[in-house]
Amino acid sequence: QVQLQESGPGLVKPSQTLSLTCTVSGGSITSTTYYWSWIRQPAGKGLEWIGRIYTSGSTHYNPSLKSRVTMSIDTSKNQFSLKLQSMTSADAAVYYCARVPITWIDVWGKGTSVTVSS
Amino acid sequence: NFMLTQPHSVSESPGKTVTISCTRSSGTIASNYVQWYQQRPGSSPTTVIYEDNQRPSGVPDRFSGSIDSSSNSASLTISGLTPEDEAVYYCQSYDSSIPWVFGGGTRLTVL
Repeated sequence: QVQLQESGPGLVKPSQTLSLTCTVSGGSITSTTYYWSWIRQPAGKGLEWIGRIYTSGSTHYNPSLKSRVTMSIDTSKNQFSLKLQSMTSADAAVYYCARVPITWIDVWGKGTSVTVSS
Repeated sequence: NFMLTQPHSVSESPGKTVTISCTRSSGTIASNYVQWYQQRPGSSPTTVIYEDNQRPSGVPDRFSGSIDSSSNSASLTISGLTPEDEAVYYCQSYDSSIPWVFGGGTRLTVL
């Protein structure tokens, strides 16, 4: 059974860059059947789609975050990553990685909480 | 860009049936698939309906999804409510300009 696990710092200073990694176990990130996505959820609020990456490295980002977001994929480690620049308090959230068979999410990570504070 | 609007909360008694709506602000609801996610407190979301009316393996048939073009909305219906169904439910769809949009979420209380 495929599992996804997010990892990264739980605390980021304002203006710094957030770097998160999602490790895929029980399946290959090179599968052409899936996209790999990041979604976030501020405390007590709803879900926001950040973007997605394909095994080829092709990306598609939420227009509201596009200028600050970079996603990458490391097939040798079966991982994909998220970088979000110029962090502010508005970026504090639980960040989820997910597997996407084109139109829906079939596997979610457990999420990692990110706080923005000096 | 479009928005998906959901009621903030609904409540119903155990054993009853509840329907949660999701209205698309622009564009046609039937043009792009709608998904529904369940999020229990303190947990990651899980998918209960995908591609308008499909259930992932393991989701009971008490959960069903539908599309109504006349109201440009999608609906999630849960029958035979149990306390375990108490959660926040999110709809999600997409179009060519922004792949994924989530609704604001509906808190279901099973009284």
